[in-house]
Amino acid sequence: NAGVMQNPRHLVRRRGQEARLRCSPMKGHSHVYWYRQLPEEGLKFMVYLQKENIIDESGMPKERFSAEFPKEGPSILRIQQVVRGDSAAYFCASSPGGDSIRGYTFGSGTRLTVV
Amino acid sequence: GENVEQHPSTLSVQEGDSAVIKCTYSDSASNYFPWYKQELGKRPQLIIDIRSNVGEKKDQRIAVTLNKTAKHFSLHITETQPEDSAVYFCAAANYGQNFVFGPGTRLSVLP
Repeated sequence: NAGVMQNPRHLVRRRGQEARLRCSPMKGHSHVYWYRQLPEEGLKFMVYLQKENIIDESGMPKERFSAEFPKEGPSILRIQQVVRGDSAAYFCASSPGGDSIRGYTFGSGTRLTVV
Repeated sequence: GENVEQHPSTLSVQEGDSAVIKCTYSDSASNYFPWYKQELGKRPQLIIDIRSNVGEKKDQRIAVTLNKTAKHFSLHITETQPEDSAVYFCAAANYGQNFVFGPGTRLSVLP
């Protein structure tokens, strides 16, 4: 079991470009969560998805940010027209869902730097 | 919505001493409380968790206690070692909802 896979590990974008972050959940996990972590700060919830459904996007900025988790393939977090303030580590986590709640498994994160 | 507070924000202890980190939560419906350890530049990793029907759980040098009435829970690390140095995050969650994390505690274990 390869765990939660995120790519790329590091991403550098110029202001105004698009950033696309990918997350493949653990095998058997159908729930995906995206969190943003600014340097020296905590984990801020962005969006919670199940296959083909956004369950909760209350933590995601209304503009420039979007997320999807298609029937096939990884979950994608897309940031359009990036700005310096988007520089952060973006962590994806997955869980199996089901009848009982269990701890997330986090991916290694994508460190986005906007120059 | 849920709000999780965590104290202290930084904690320094001598190797071999105990460390205690405390969290409070606001939503009485929360029923699951995990703790994560994050080393510099790495992913958060689950170290212990507790459900609302349990008051205490222990795993070797790590223990977690939960007081549902007061809505607070704590992480206890005994016989601390330098490799325990990291940032620790508590979280609170309810089934079907995302985890809400505390702001973190930076633990330094001094040799």
